[in-house]
Amino acid sequence: GEQVEQRPPHLSVREGDSAIIICTYTDSATAYFSWYKQEAGAGLQLLMSVLSNVDRKEEQGLTVLLNKKDKRLSLNLTAAHPGDSAVYFCAVSASSGSWQLIFGSGTQLTVMP
Amino acid sequence: EAAVTQSPRNKVAVTGGKVTLSCNQTNNHNNMYWYRQDTGHGLRLIHYSYGAGSTEKGDIPDGYKASRPSQENFSLILELATPSQTSVYFCASGDAGGQAPLFGEGTRLSVL
Repeated sequence: GEQVEQRPPHLSVREGDSAIIICTYTDSATAYFSWYKQEAGAGLQLLMSVLSNVDRKEEQGLTVLLNKKDKRLSLNLTAAHPGDSAVYFCAVSASSGSWQLIFGSGTQLTVMP
Repeated sequence: EAAVTQSPRNKVAVTGGKVTLSCNQTNNHNNMYWYRQDTGHGLRLIHYSYGAGSTEKGDIPDGYKASRPSQENFSLILELATPSQTSVYFCASGDAGGQAPLFGEGTRLSVL
């Protein structure tokens, strides 16, 4: 079945720097890709979703890149600030009909002032 | 405002006891999901539902039952709780073809 690997597990950056998180997946039929943010003690906040026909999507300081050839999904936080400190998860699904998400193991991002 | 509400937020149970985790959504979504989150595993799907009266097995259903009595409510039931079921449980709701699912705040369950 589908396997998703996420790296790095921990990432520390200075305020104003970029932070990049990468996920790789195994199933070429994967069609839907999402990123979630989890702050300490809280639930998962949906950041962005893209379909497999989208290579790049930008929203509010976040950029998602999808490389289907390499089966690689990335999240780039440009100009990170301390409020971005959280755990970030990628999640993929073969179908939006059932949205059975397969999650990466998460990246703990720390943004230092 | 769209919302997924879980109760209780925290629960301590004894081994062999019955535990019911509840989830309510006001998003009018057809699909609902139960995940558990464990260190090193990310989130894993336990059960999901396509609508009232339906339940489906996810990736790790053993030891869990689910119930979807209405569009809004989806419960996760541990008939005989075990310490290995100590975890944080998340409920989510979503619509087919729509945006990715929205999650609740989680229930922290400890089985002693």
